[in-house]
Amino acid sequence: AQSVTQLDSHVSVSEGTPVLLRCNYSSSYSPSLFWYVQHPNKGLQLLLKYTSAATLVKGINGFEAEFKKSETSFHLTKPSAHMSDAAEYFCVVSDTSYDKVIFGPGTSLSVIP
Amino acid sequence: EPEVTQTPSHQVTQMGQEVILRCVPISNHLYFYWYRQILGQKVEFLVSFYNNEISEKSEIFDDQFSVERPDGSNFTLKIRSTKLEDSAMYFCASSDQNNYGYTFGSGTRLTVV
Repeated sequence: AQSVTQLDSHVSVSEGTPVLLRCNYSSSYSPSLFWYVQHPNKGLQLLLKYTSAATLVKGINGFEAEFKKSETSFHLTKPSAHMSDAAEYFCVVSDTSYDKVIFGPGTSLSVIP
Repeated sequence: EPEVTQTPSHQVTQMGQEVILRCVPISNHLYFYWYRQILGQKVEFLVSFYNNEISEKSEIFDDQFSVERPDGSNFTLKIRSTKLEDSAMYFCASSDQNNYGYTFGSGTRLTVV
């Protein structure tokens, strides 16, 4: 069965500094992995997805994530945080091609001016 | 880019009333899902639907819930007799066979009073 761990419930960074949001997963198969962002009182926006192609995945708004099978990790990074990046971030895993997805508990990102 | 559309964006209903949440999935997708997010909590899987029948459901999806694809474009979630604890954001999603196009709608915020 799949599961997702997001090691930090809250991350705070200064504007212009790098962002690292950590995600580890458990999956029986070759998983599909996603990162979603949710701004306050808004819906879920897909940042990027990994589906067994390149292990380094580039997404929107300068975010990227690297799939490391040996570490069962899919950490999200961004070189320079912007105030508008403040939001909740969810790491999501899916075992099969058309199965339900499992959400991690989320990481709240704060960006300090 | 194709979108999953949900209506209404916000619905207020009295306890005990029936409510129907509506979703228009992406037109060539075959797999449909409902997820729920209680305020401040993580996103939880409710049900998946394929080929005009439920393919999987969670323990949350009890007899008070039902789903339907009444025509070729809509996918609905019905709650027969709403309870206070049904207050949440409900997300619809659809995917293609390879999960490459797993897309969430912007959600319906249901408030039961």
